[in-house]
Amino acid sequence: AQSVTQLGSHVSVSEGALVLLRCNYSSSVPPYLFWYVQYPNQGLQLLLKYTSAATLVKGINGFEAEFKKSETSFHLTKPSAHMSDAAEYFCAVIISGAGSYQLTFGKGTKLSVIP
Amino acid sequence: NAGVMQNPRHLVRRRGQEARLRCSPMKGHSHVYWYRQLPEEGLKFMVYLQKENIIDESGMPKERFSAEFPKEGPSILRIQQVVRGDSAAYFCASSPKETQYFGPGTRLLVL
Repeated sequence: AQSVTQLGSHVSVSEGALVLLRCNYSSSVPPYLFWYVQYPNQGLQLLLKYTSAATLVKGINGFEAEFKKSETSFHLTKPSAHMSDAAEYFCAVIISGAGSYQLTFGKGTKLSVIP
Repeated sequence: NAGVMQNPRHLVRRRGQEARLRCSPMKGHSHVYWYRQLPEEGLKFMVYLQKENIIDESGMPKERFSAEFPKEGPSILRIQQVVRGDSAAYFCASSPKETQYFGPGTRLLVL
C-alpha cells in the first residue's frame, strides 16, 4: 500500500531563512507526487507536482521540490521564507496505473515564520 | 475560469438530521473526488466519481454516506442521520486527469 510520511508536524523558520519540508513516500511503481498548501479555514492550493518529467519541479510562490527515486523523497524547499508562507503544507501521492487517481496525503507540516 | 465551488461553506446539523454537500467542478473537468479532513487525522479520500458513475468508493463509510454526480448539476455528498463524529471539513476536488484542484470546503458541525 502506498503511504506518505512528512517528517515534522511543526517547522519554524525565521523570515528570510531556507524552508525545507520533508516528504518520503512508499510505492512499488512510479508515483505522481504533489505538494499542496492550506491556509486557515481554506481549501488546498496546488503548489507543484511531479508526473515523471523533470525531477526538479518548480512551483508557485518560489517553492520547488526534487524527486529522488533512490531516497523515495520529494522534499519541498524555498530559499527565503516570507511571512505569507505561514500555512500548513501537505505532501500527497497518486500511484499511477492503479485505475483511481485518489490522493493519499501525509499528515501535514505546519510552517511558522518568525519575523 | 471559475474554480471548484462548494456550498454551503458552513453547515450546522443536529444529530439524526441529514447533511447535503454540493460540489461544482471546474469547467471541463469530468472527475470529482471527495475528501474528509478530521482534526488530528489529516485528509482522507472518500469517493471518486465521473458523470453518472461511482468509480472508487473505497474510502466511504459503509453506512449513512452516499455520493452522486448526475449528468446535470453538481456532485452531492449526502450524510444521513448525522452523528457528532461526522463533524469535519469536507473537500471536493476536480480534475481533467491526475492533477486535482480543490474547492474551499464545507465545514460540517453536528450538535
